[in-house]
Amino acid sequence: TQLLEQSPQFLSIQEGENLTVYCNSSSVFSSLQWYRQEPGEGPVLLVTVVTGGEVKKLKRLTFQFGDARKDSSLHITAAQPGDTGLYLCAGEADRGSTLGRLYFGRGTQLTVWP
Amino acid sequence: DTAVSQTPKYLVTQMGNDKSIKCEQNLGHDTMYWYKQDSKKFLKIMFSYNNKELIINETVPNRFSPKSPDKAHLNLHINSLELGDSAVYFCASSQGTDYEQYFGPGTRLTVT
Repeated sequence: TQLLEQSPQFLSIQEGENLTVYCNSSSVFSSLQWYRQEPGEGPVLLVTVVTGGEVKKLKRLTFQFGDARKDSSLHITAAQPGDTGLYLCAGEADRGSTLGRLYFGRGTQLTVWP
Repeated sequence: DTAVSQTPKYLVTQMGNDKSIKCEQNLGHDTMYWYKQDSKKFLKIMFSYNNKELIINETVPNRFSPKSPDKAHLNLHINSLELGDSAVYFCASSQGTDYEQYFGPGTRLTVT
Protein backbone atom coordinates (compact mmCIF):
# COMPACT_ATOMS: atom_id res chain seq x y z
CA THR A 1 0.00 0.00 0.00
CA GLN A 2 1.34 3.41 -0.96
CA LEU A 3 0.48 5.85 1.79
CA LEU A 4 0.13 9.58 1.30
CA GLU A 5 0.08 11.74 4.40
CA GLN A 6 -1.52 15.14 4.09
CA SER A 7 -1.06 18.00 6.51
CA PRO A 8 -2.62 19.88 8.02
CA GLN A 9 -5.89 18.00 8.24
CA PHE A 10 -7.84 21.20 8.89
CA LEU A 11 -6.96 24.79 8.05
CA SER A 12 -9.07 27.82 8.89
CA ILE A 13 -7.78 31.21 7.75
CA GLN A 14 -8.87 34.74 6.93
CA GLU A 15 -9.30 36.02 3.41
CA GLY A 16 -6.04 37.37 2.04
CA GLU A 17 -3.73 35.03 3.96
CA ASN A 18 -1.32 32.61 2.32
CA LEU A 19 -1.23 28.91 3.05
CA THR A 20 0.59 25.73 2.17
CA VAL A 21 -0.73 22.17 2.20
CA TYR A 22 1.67 19.25 2.22
CA CYS A 23 1.46 15.74 0.82
CA ASN A 24 4.20 13.33 1.88
CA SER A 25 5.06 9.71 1.34
CA SER A 26 7.93 7.29 1.75
CA SER A 27 7.06 5.89 -1.68
CA VAL A 28 8.00 7.19 -5.09
CA PHE A 29 5.18 8.20 -7.38
CA SER A 30 5.30 8.51 -11.14
CA SER A 31 2.76 11.30 -10.98
CA LEU A 32 0.81 13.18 -8.40
CA GLN A 33 -2.54 14.87 -8.75
CA TRP A 34 -4.30 17.50 -6.68
CA TYR A 35 -8.08 17.61 -6.46
CA ARG A 36 -10.57 19.93 -4.79
CA GLN A 37 -13.85 18.57 -3.52
CA GLU A 38 -16.80 20.67 -2.45
CA PRO A 39 -19.67 19.40 -0.27
CA GLY A 40 -22.02 17.09 -2.14
CA GLU A 41 -19.80 16.90 -5.19
CA GLY A 42 -17.07 14.72 -6.57
CA PRO A 43 -13.37 15.65 -6.57
CA VAL A 44 -12.34 17.96 -9.39
CA LEU A 45 -8.84 17.69 -10.80
CA LEU A 46 -6.72 20.83 -10.35
CA VAL A 47 -3.34 19.73 -11.64
CA THR A 48 -1.08 16.77 -12.41
CA VAL A 49 2.66 16.92 -11.79
CA VAL A 50 4.91 14.32 -13.34
CA THR A 51 8.54 15.42 -13.23
CA GLY A 52 10.58 15.65 -10.03
CA GLY A 53 11.02 19.31 -9.07
CA GLU A 54 8.21 20.39 -11.35
CA VAL A 55 6.32 23.55 -10.43
CA LYS A 56 2.94 24.38 -11.90
CA LYS A 57 0.89 27.50 -11.34
CA LEU A 58 -2.84 27.87 -11.63
CA LYS A 59 -3.71 31.50 -10.94
CA ARG A 60 -3.08 31.92 -7.19
CA LEU A 61 -2.31 28.22 -6.69
CA THR A 62 1.24 26.90 -6.97
CA PHE A 63 1.92 23.18 -7.02
CA GLN A 64 5.31 21.60 -6.56
CA PHE A 65 6.47 18.00 -6.95
CA GLY A 66 9.45 17.04 -4.82
CA ASP A 67 12.75 16.25 -6.50
CA ALA A 68 12.53 12.64 -5.36
CA ARG A 69 8.86 12.40 -6.39
CA LYS A 70 7.84 11.40 -2.87
CA ASP A 71 6.14 14.60 -1.82
CA SER A 72 4.22 17.58 -3.10
CA SER A 73 2.93 20.90 -1.86
CA LEU A 74 0.10 23.23 -2.73
CA HIS A 75 0.55 26.91 -1.95
CA ILE A 76 -2.32 29.37 -2.18
CA THR A 77 -1.59 33.08 -2.26
CA ALA A 78 -4.13 35.58 -0.96
CA ALA A 79 -6.77 32.98 -0.20
CA GLN A 80 -10.39 33.80 -0.99
CA PRO A 81 -13.65 32.34 0.38
CA GLY A 82 -14.11 30.59 -2.96
CA ASP A 83 -11.01 28.52 -2.22
CA THR A 84 -12.87 26.78 0.60
CA GLY A 85 -13.04 23.03 0.08
CA LEU A 86 -11.40 19.68 0.68
CA TYR A 87 -8.02 19.42 -1.04
CA LEU A 88 -6.91 15.90 -1.91
CA CYS A 89 -3.60 14.71 -3.23
CA ALA A 90 -3.44 11.44 -5.13
CA GLY A 91 -0.43 9.53 -6.35
CA GLU A 92 0.01 7.09 -9.16
CA ALA A 93 2.66 4.58 -8.24
CA ASP A 94 4.03 3.42 -11.55
CA ARG A 95 2.45 4.33 -14.85
CA GLY A 96 1.74 1.34 -16.98
CA SER A 97 1.66 -1.17 -14.16
CA THR A 98 -0.87 0.09 -11.68
CA LEU A 99 -3.69 0.30 -14.17
CA GLY A 100 -4.74 3.78 -13.14
CA ARG A 101 -4.79 2.99 -9.43
CA LEU A 102 -4.60 6.24 -7.48
CA TYR A 103 -3.65 6.38 -3.81
CA PHE A 104 -5.36 9.27 -2.09
CA GLY A 105 -4.32 11.24 0.95
CA ARG A 106 -6.91 11.89 3.64
CA GLY A 107 -7.36 15.47 2.55
CA THR A 108 -7.01 18.96 3.96
CA GLN A 109 -10.23 20.77 4.77
CA LEU A 110 -9.64 24.45 4.03
CA THR A 111 -12.01 27.16 5.23
CA VAL A 112 -11.40 30.75 4.20
CA TRP A 113 -13.38 33.33 6.13
CA PRO A 114 -14.32 36.69 4.59
CA ASP B 1 -23.53 18.85 -20.09
CA THR B 2 -22.89 16.33 -17.36
CA ALA B 3 -19.68 14.40 -17.99
CA VAL B 4 -19.99 11.66 -15.36
CA SER B 5 -23.40 11.09 -13.85
CA GLN B 6 -24.59 8.77 -11.11
CA THR B 7 -27.99 7.63 -9.94
CA PRO B 8 -29.35 7.81 -7.40
CA LYS B 9 -27.82 10.78 -5.60
CA TYR B 10 -29.07 9.52 -2.25
CA LEU B 11 -29.96 5.99 -1.22
CA VAL B 12 -31.36 5.05 2.18
CA THR B 13 -32.05 1.40 2.80
CA GLN B 14 -32.19 -1.21 5.50
CA MET B 15 -29.64 -3.84 6.39
CA GLY B 16 -29.93 -6.99 4.36
CA ASN B 17 -31.37 -5.33 1.28
CA ASP B 18 -29.84 -5.46 -2.19
CA LYS B 19 -29.30 -2.21 -4.09
CA SER B 20 -27.67 -0.92 -7.28
CA ILE B 21 -25.94 2.32 -8.20
CA LYS B 22 -25.57 3.35 -11.82
CA CYS B 23 -22.90 5.43 -13.54
CA GLU B 24 -22.71 6.85 -17.04
CA GLN B 25 -20.06 8.95 -18.72
CA ASN B 26 -20.37 10.87 -21.98
CA LEU B 27 -16.68 11.71 -22.31
CA GLY B 28 -15.89 8.84 -24.64
CA HIS B 29 -13.51 7.37 -22.06
CA ASP B 30 -12.63 3.68 -22.06
CA THR B 31 -11.84 3.25 -18.35
CA MET B 32 -14.23 3.59 -15.44
CA TYR B 33 -13.80 3.29 -11.68
CA TRP B 34 -15.72 2.90 -8.45
CA TYR B 35 -14.42 4.59 -5.30
CA LYS B 36 -15.68 4.56 -1.74
CA GLN B 37 -15.32 7.65 0.47
CA ASP B 38 -15.81 7.01 4.16
CA SER B 39 -17.08 9.38 6.82
CA LYS B 40 -13.55 10.75 7.30
CA LYS B 41 -13.35 11.64 3.61
CA PHE B 42 -10.83 8.90 2.81
CA LEU B 43 -11.22 7.94 -0.84
CA LYS B 44 -10.29 4.41 -1.81
CA ILE B 45 -10.56 2.61 -5.11
CA MET B 46 -12.78 -0.45 -5.31
CA PHE B 47 -12.95 -1.50 -8.95
CA SER B 48 -11.81 -0.44 -12.38
CA TYR B 49 -12.93 -1.48 -15.85
CA ASN B 50 -11.07 -0.90 -19.08
CA ASN B 51 -13.03 -1.54 -22.27
CA LYS B 52 -15.63 -3.45 -20.23
CA GLU B 53 -12.96 -5.70 -18.71
CA LEU B 54 -12.31 -5.75 -14.97
CA ILE B 55 -8.72 -4.68 -14.33
CA ILE B 56 -8.70 -3.58 -10.70
CA ASN B 57 -10.48 -5.48 -7.97
CA GLU B 58 -9.33 -4.30 -4.57
CA THR B 59 -10.03 -6.18 -1.37
CA VAL B 60 -13.75 -5.66 -1.45
CA PRO B 61 -16.36 -8.08 -0.04
CA ASN B 62 -17.86 -10.22 -2.76
CA ARG B 63 -21.24 -8.73 -1.85
CA PHE B 64 -20.14 -5.93 -4.17
CA SER B 65 -20.40 -6.81 -7.84
CA PRO B 66 -19.59 -4.30 -10.56
CA LYS B 67 -20.87 -4.68 -14.07
CA SER B 68 -19.99 -2.79 -17.24
CA PRO B 69 -22.54 -3.32 -20.02
CA ASP B 70 -20.58 -1.01 -22.32
CA LYS B 71 -17.69 1.45 -22.13
CA ALA B 72 -19.96 4.31 -21.13
CA HIS B 73 -21.64 2.58 -18.20
CA LEU B 74 -20.47 1.02 -14.96
CA ASN B 75 -22.94 -0.20 -12.37
CA LEU B 76 -22.39 -1.38 -8.82
CA HIS B 77 -24.66 -3.93 -7.20
CA ILE B 78 -24.48 -4.55 -3.49
CA ASN B 79 -26.03 -7.59 -1.86
CA SER B 80 -26.99 -8.00 1.78
CA LEU B 81 -26.19 -4.44 2.75
CA GLU B 82 -24.46 -3.86 6.07
CA LEU B 83 -24.18 -0.80 8.29
CA GLY B 84 -20.51 -0.46 7.35
CA ASP B 85 -21.42 -0.02 3.72
CA SER B 86 -22.71 3.46 4.52
CA ALA B 87 -20.49 5.87 2.59
CA VAL B 88 -20.38 8.02 -0.49
CA TYR B 89 -19.63 6.04 -3.64
CA PHE B 90 -18.00 7.83 -6.53
CA CYS B 91 -17.75 6.77 -10.11
CA ALA B 92 -14.90 8.12 -12.24
CA SER B 93 -13.65 7.73 -15.78
CA SER B 94 -10.48 8.29 -17.75
CA GLN B 95 -9.13 7.76 -21.24
CA GLY B 96 -6.77 4.88 -20.70
CA THR B 97 -5.29 4.16 -17.31
CA ASP B 98 -2.50 6.72 -17.45
CA TYR B 99 -4.61 9.82 -17.67
CA GLU B 100 -6.59 12.09 -15.42
CA GLN B 101 -9.74 10.78 -13.83
CA TYR B 102 -13.03 12.65 -13.87
CA PHE B 103 -15.38 12.03 -10.98
CA GLY B 104 -19.15 11.88 -10.79
CA PRO B 105 -21.14 13.72 -8.09
CA GLY B 106 -21.34 10.69 -5.81
CA THR B 107 -24.07 8.52 -4.34
CA ARG B 108 -24.59 8.82 -0.61
CA LEU B 109 -25.62 5.39 0.68
CA THR B 110 -27.06 5.15 4.16
CA VAL B 111 -27.79 1.74 5.60
CA THR B 112 -30.04 1.70 8.66
